Amino acid sequence: DTAVSQTPKYLVTQMGNDKSIKCEQNLGHDTMYWYKQDSKKFLKIMFSYNNKELIINETVPNRFSPKSPDKAHLNLHINSLELGDSAVYFCASSQYSRDPPQPQHFGDGTRLSIL
Amino acid sequence: EDKVVQSPLSLVVHEGDTVTLNCSYEVTNFRSLLWYKQEKKAPTFLFMLTSSGIEKKSGRLSSILDKKELFSILNITATQTGDSAVYLCAVEGETSGSRLTFGEGTQLTVNP
Repeated sequence: DTAVSQTPKYLVTQMGNDKSIKCEQNLGHDTMYWYKQDSKKFLKIMFSYNNKELIINETVPNRFSPKSPDKAHLNLHINSLELGDSAVYFCASSQYSRDPPQPQHFGDGTRLSIL
Repeated sequence: EDKVVQSPLSLVVHEGDTVTLNCSYEVTNFRSLLWYKQEKKAPTFLFMLTSSGIEKKSGRLSSILDKKELFSILNITATQTGDSAVYLCAVEGETSGSRLTFGEGTQLTVNP
């Protein structure tokens, strides 16, 4: 059973298009995240939702809009795609715990290539 | 701003060698430090180190945290070709809202 699953795994599209990436977790976690991994391999947080509420919104263009229909799903919609959006996008989830903290678990990533 | 620096960035060893990967960090109100292994796809969780758990061990892998000097090391003994991967270090601060700040990673290659 895949714990954190993303679709699609690969996405090749042209500049200016709009696309969505979906993420689902079956771990029963209450917090989900989107990270971007660029060509230099740094993983950077983009967004985080806790129980469907946005709690982290990093400095990303307004063209990126996350949506969490329920706590097991977190989707990412990207408008007007640009060349610089090419990257691997990772979804992650964790169970919020004040003490002790709990680790985040990652999906396999979606490789987005803009032509 | 939280920061993580890993070294070396790249390491090539032979099977059976022991390796030590380094991670130094700056974080406001330290909460946890995590190690992940990334092969071709998802980063896979290895260890979490906190103020109440500064040493972890699992098989050939072990990690320690030095909160005073602000660093952690990941040791792998008797390396195998299957250990070849990028090893990522990340930190979380109390005020960061569960966001992880990652280092660039160490690319480990284990040759037969």
